[in-house]
Amino acid sequence: QLQLQESGPGLVKPSETLSLTCTVSGGSISSSSYYWGWIRQPPGKGLDWIGSIYYTGNTYYNPSLKSRVTISVDTSKNQFSLKLSSVTAADTAVYYCASWHSALHWFDPWGQGTLVTVSS
Amino acid sequence: QPVLTQPPSASASLGASVTLTCTLSSGYSNYKVDWYQQRPGKGPRFVMRVGTGGIVGSKGDGIPDRFSVLGSGLNRYLTIKNIQEEDESDYYCGADHGNGSNFVYVFGTGTKVTVL
Repeated sequence: QLQLQESGPGLVKPSETLSLTCTVSGGSISSSSYYWGWIRQPPGKGLDWIGSIYYTGNTYYNPSLKSRVTISVDTSKNQFSLKLSSVTAADTAVYYCASWHSALHWFDPWGQGTLVTVSS
Repeated sequence: QPVLTQPPSASASLGASVTLTCTLSSGYSNYKVDWYQQRPGKGPRFVMRVGTGGIVGSKGDGIPDRFSVLGSGLNRYLTIKNIQEEDESDYYCGADHGNGSNFVYVFGTGTKVTVL
């Protein structure tokens, strides 16, 4: 059974780059069946898809964040990562990683989420 | 890309039923929608996917039989029968759009369900 776990700093300064990693266990990140995604949720607000990646490195980004987002995959570590540059307080959120089955087309499972606060 | 509209809140008495609605924007009546449950302080979990023909695929792990879906026109419904305290959650719908380089995934604004 797939399990995902986010990790990374909980505090980032304004204008700096937010970096998070998602470690996948219980399956291979190189599986042709899955895409790997990042979703965020500002405190008290709804869900916002950030972007997704396939193990080949093909990426898909939310147009509203595309200029600041980079998602990458490390198949040797069974991990994928998120970088969000030039952060502001508006980027404060719980960040989730999740798997997206290429045939089923839904996000399942999700990681537990990690809160990232942007503050000086 | 589609816009998904959800009412902000819904409520039902313990043991009663509640139906949540996710409305797709015009022109997207053939789209399927995914339902997610988010309990207080927890991450979202997949409930089930719905199109105009009803459920698509299988329910998420551990989702009780009390949960069911229907789809009609631009609306996608999630019904919870015999609602329990544990069902008090935020419910989001989501949908994928496009393929290849123009792929996006969009979420509705969520409905907060209160069990009275």
